[in-house]
Amino acid sequence: SQELEQSPQSLIVQEGKNLTINCTSSKTLYGLYWYKQKYGEGLIFLMMLQKGGEEKSHEKITAKLDEKKQQSSLHITASQPSHAGIYLCGADILSGTSYGKLTFGQGTILTVHP
Amino acid sequence: KAGVTQTPRYLIKTRGQQVTLSCSPISGHRSVSWYQQTPGQGLQFLFEYFSETQRNKGNFPGRFSGRQFSNSRSEMNVSTLELGDSALYLCASSPVRRLDEKLFFGSGTQLSVL
Repeated sequence: SQELEQSPQSLIVQEGKNLTINCTSSKTLYGLYWYKQKYGEGLIFLMMLQKGGEEKSHEKITAKLDEKKQQSSLHITASQPSHAGIYLCGADILSGTSYGKLTFGQGTILTVHP
Repeated sequence: KAGVTQTPRYLIKTRGQQVTLSCSPISGHRSVSWYQQTPGQGLQFLFEYFSETQRNKGNFPGRFSGRQFSNSRSEMNVSTLELGDSALYLCASSPVRRLDEKLFFGSGTQLSVL
């Protein structure tokens, strides 16, 4: 089983709709990162969360890390076709000392229909 | 500043051959990590280098190796290629080794093993 579980695996929404992607771990997350990827390309950094209860927003995207630091959610408000892509959560789930060594979820494929 | 540069962008090899991939980090970044991405296994950590020393290693066979030069540029080598080595290889860099430092990813090298 995956150490980081993302849900859903894929999502198809109509432009303008809100959506949420979840990232769950059975272990404490020491630093949770959200990235976006276009197929076959590199990852684009979205947000990083470290403290339990932390919430960050950028444009129409909001990410939260729960108090126990074992789950994060990514929420997109009023989705646009430009939001389409693969969303990946990555985290240090070992000890908080594994610099550069992130464990990633399987990704959520987001399709936004105009 | 230029981003993380990976060369070549695409590569086709046959089983049994060896391959070397190159990564130039963002100027001033000293930590370089390598990841393998496949449809089945997702993104998996290969290794991390800092100051020319391997600091972290993932669960990959010894056929996968790497090194970092004094200018922080890094190379990874895969010997005796297998069909299962076909993947997108991503390099990421960060300024220092700290948990609150995000990783900047390159566009990757798409390796196909025939």
